[in-house]
Amino acid sequence: GAGVSQSPSNKVTEKGKDVELRCDPISGHTALYWYRQSLGQGLEFLIYFQGNSAPDKSGLPSDRFSAERTGGSVSTLTIQRTQQEDSAVYLCASSRGGTRYEQYFGPGTRLTVT
Amino acid sequence: AQTVTQSQPEMSVQEAETVTLSCTYDTSESNYYLFWYKQPPSRQMILVIRQEAYKQQNATENRFSVNFQKAAKSFSLKISDSQLGDTAMYFCAFMKPSSAQKLVFGQGTRLTINP
Repeated sequence: GAGVSQSPSNKVTEKGKDVELRCDPISGHTALYWYRQSLGQGLEFLIYFQGNSAPDKSGLPSDRFSAERTGGSVSTLTIQRTQQEDSAVYLCASSRGGTRYEQYFGPGTRLTVT
Repeated sequence: AQTVTQSQPEMSVQEAETVTLSCTYDTSESNYYLFWYKQPPSRQMILVIRQEAYKQQNATENRFSVNFQKAAKSFSLKISDSQLGDTAMYFCAFMKPSSAQKLVFGQGTRLTINP
């Protein structure tokens, strides 16, 4: 079946603009995660959605970052007033949830803030 | 907080050789999971192997196997009969089921398989 998909693949934006990154998880997966991969910080957890429960936002670096998941499927990560330090690859992953802990990743969105 | 350390930033071996990537972690938890992920230049993170902390038997997946030493908090990955397609970044990751199931990653090891 289809894997996790993310769009866009690459995004270049000007400092101060807002951006939206999209993630389509594997069908039937109830858990969805966002991570950020940057040269300086490595791979960092951002946010976790599980079914209809309140998301775990403990990894979001500032209040400029937000995410939502509509209908328990597609998720959008929004970064407001982008800064140069937001430049990174944003990875989305999904898992079946429950005791199936394997996370399957999408190809990522490379964000460049100029 | 849990930390994961990969002490080898880069490694290089010849095709068909065996290579071992090191990973250590720090936790006070007794129930957790460990993973190795591969990230080729295409950027797609691919799950290689997983290990449950409560299992004493080391996990294996074809040419990939782990050496899990729980007391030493060590989780190394052995790749046998290495192939050119194994060239990638390899990340060791820790997950505590009770903590949002988030993965805590090491800094990665860049592995190059030479022909």
